[in-house]
Amino acid sequence: QKEVEQNSGPLSVPEGAIASLNCTYSDRVSQSFFWYRQYSGKSPELIMSIYSNGDKEDGRFTAQLNKASQYVSLLIRDSQPSDSATYLCAVNTEGGYSTLTFGKGTMLLVSP
Amino acid sequence: DAGVIQSPRHEVTEMGQEVTLRCKPISGHNSLFWYRQTMMRGLELLIYFNNNVPIDDSGMPEDRFSAKMPNASFSTLKIQPSEPRDSAVYFCASSLVRGLAGARHNEQFFGPGTRLTVL
Repeated sequence: QKEVEQNSGPLSVPEGAIASLNCTYSDRVSQSFFWYRQYSGKSPELIMSIYSNGDKEDGRFTAQLNKASQYVSLLIRDSQPSDSATYLCAVNTEGGYSTLTFGKGTMLLVSP
Repeated sequence: DAGVIQSPRHEVTEMGQEVTLRCKPISGHNSLFWYRQTMMRGLELLIYFNNNVPIDDSGMPEDRFSAKMPNASFSTLKIQPSEPRDSAVYFCASSLVRGLAGARHNEQFFGPGTRLTVL
């Protein structure tokens, strides 16, 4: 059974700080990794994707992937109250037809 | 550009009634996914279509659930008969999977969801 684990939180950070969200996965052959943001009562919104080991930066967001450790993280720099949401980690296993396995998400609270 | 469209946005029904949820994927996408989200179980994949063909329905909880995709721009998820434990938010998502080599770049885009309450 493929598993994606996240700390449910809440992770509380003050405005302007760096928020660090972590995710581990069980399937060693996983190839693609995604971070979704979900505001309360809304649908998941894709914010980052990463496919290779290392860092990928997009604005205030940095995704980090370490396949050897089966670990992916999302850093949010200069956190804003508008970043308060649940962040879902999703993992895609290589194959002819691919599906995503989602973690249950980490709730982030950014206080002014 | 229009995103994934779902209807209805909210559905309240009584146990035993038939419920039909509808989804229009993003134009040009060839893969469609139905998910269910609850607090307890998180986001669960129910069924996955590729080029209108059901590929993986192992997440469909019981025979009461069925899904169809008659064409590239429309899919339905039907629950008959509905039960209170079916209450959840149901999401439809779509993606463009470019053959086997591109399968790993499966960026999925979600619709707004249907909040289903079965009394």
